[in-house]
Amino acid sequence: SQKIEQNSEALNIQEGKTATLTCNYTNYSPAYLQWYRQDPGRGPVFLLLIRENEKEKRKERLKVTFDTTLKQSLFHITASQPADSATYLCALDSRGGRRALTFGSGTRLQVQP
Amino acid sequence: DAGVTQSPTHLIKTRGQQVTLRCSPKSGHDTVSWYQQALGQGPQFIFQYYEEEERQRGNFPDRFSGHQFPNYSSELNVNALLLGDSALYLCASSLGPRLSDEKLFFGSGTQLSVL
Repeated sequence: SQKIEQNSEALNIQEGKTATLTCNYTNYSPAYLQWYRQDPGRGPVFLLLIRENEKEKRKERLKVTFDTTLKQSLFHITASQPADSATYLCALDSRGGRRALTFGSGTRLQVQP
Repeated sequence: DAGVTQSPTHLIKTRGQQVTLRCSPKSGHDTVSWYQQALGQGPQFIFQYYEEEERQRGNFPDRFSGHQFPNYSSELNVNALLLGDSALYLCASSLGPRLSDEKLFFGSGTQLSVL
């Protein structure tokens, strides 16, 4: 069956360091992969989208890579700040562009000042 | 420009009751999707409405039903509530499925507690 795995353990890093979060998937051939940020009691907020034919995407301090051979995406936050503390969710489109996203369970990031 | 709005924010029901949750999409959006998020889990797709019709459905029983109105707003109805229905219910809006902008805009959700 289709499966998305994100590290369920919280990631604790020091302010100014680079945070790297991992998203692995099996039995998928996604057209694209998305990353969202979710704060407690709030809905997810879209961060970045990367398509199957793209290797890397950047937006300010954020970088996403997508390796369809390894079936893995890495999400990097450089020069992390305490305000980056949140849960980060990866999501795949299992139906080829129809936006019925399948989400991982998320990784909680805690940036210590 | 109003984002996605959901009501109510919190709701407490007892087993066997019925509930209706409401969502207004972001201005300019015509597609509404509903997700259920259990504590500590990622959102799980329930269904999607476009042009007032259910277009796609996730692995949820028929107790979960919905509706989309001509102004693109939407309702999620859950009948015969079970304890396991306790979750955060999220509404997400987007542009029509034929367009290339795939990102979703989420509301803050309705926290449903079934006792």
